Amino acid sequence: GQNIDQPTEMTATEGAIVQINCTYQTSGFNGLFWYQQHAGEAPTFLSYNVLDGLEEKGRFSSFLSRSKGYSYLLLKELQMKDSASYLCAVYNAGNMLTFGGGTRLMVKP
Amino acid sequence: DTEVTQTPKHLVMGMTNKKSLKCEQHMGHRAMYWYKQKAKKPPELMFVYSYEKLSINESVPSRFSPECPNSSLLNLHLHALQPEDSALYLCASTRDRSSTYEQYFGPGTRLTVT
Repeated sequence: GQNIDQPTEMTATEGAIVQINCTYQTSGFNGLFWYQQHAGEAPTFLSYNVLDGLEEKGRFSSFLSRSKGYSYLLLKELQMKDSASYLCAVYNAGNMLTFGGGTRLMVKP
Repeated sequence: DTEVTQTPKHLVMGMTNKKSLKCEQHMGHRAMYWYKQKAKKPPELMFVYSYEKLSINESVPSRFSPECPNSSLLNLHLHALQPEDSALYLCASTRDRSSTYEQYFGPGTRLTVT
């Protein structure tokens, strides 16, 4: 079966760093995505990991450990506009994308 | 052009109405997807089209009827919906089903069934 777990909600302060964790158990693995979704809008692509390690892209970084079934999204220098839901999604062996429940991040001044 | 467009943006329909949602992309993608997303929940896959053929139907009720007239266009025909079908309907596309490239999402259609 497919199981992708993320914390439901997180709160952080503007200018701080926050780490959103994702653990997964899927039938096969062909890559992990992080998407950002503002309320009522479409998910937008943030990052893609298929090999172990850290991928850095500006204020956002994503880490993957395939042996542990674990990923995290790191957001630095938080801004108010970063308040959104962050979705972890995994491509399984059949190239079907399964989403975790999403983490609602609230950034406070 | 890396855009997926969806129309209408909002739709309110009664349980006896027939309406259609439209999705379009001009990126040359050959796989297109319909997702349903309820509030504070992740997107749930409904249908997958690959090279204009229905590839996956995730046990969706027949009151939802997808159609892919050509490689750029994906429709979702709605008939006799229930209030619990109210949700955000997202269309997405990717290069093809065999690749693991990112899925590009449209802005969604916010559907309310009264």
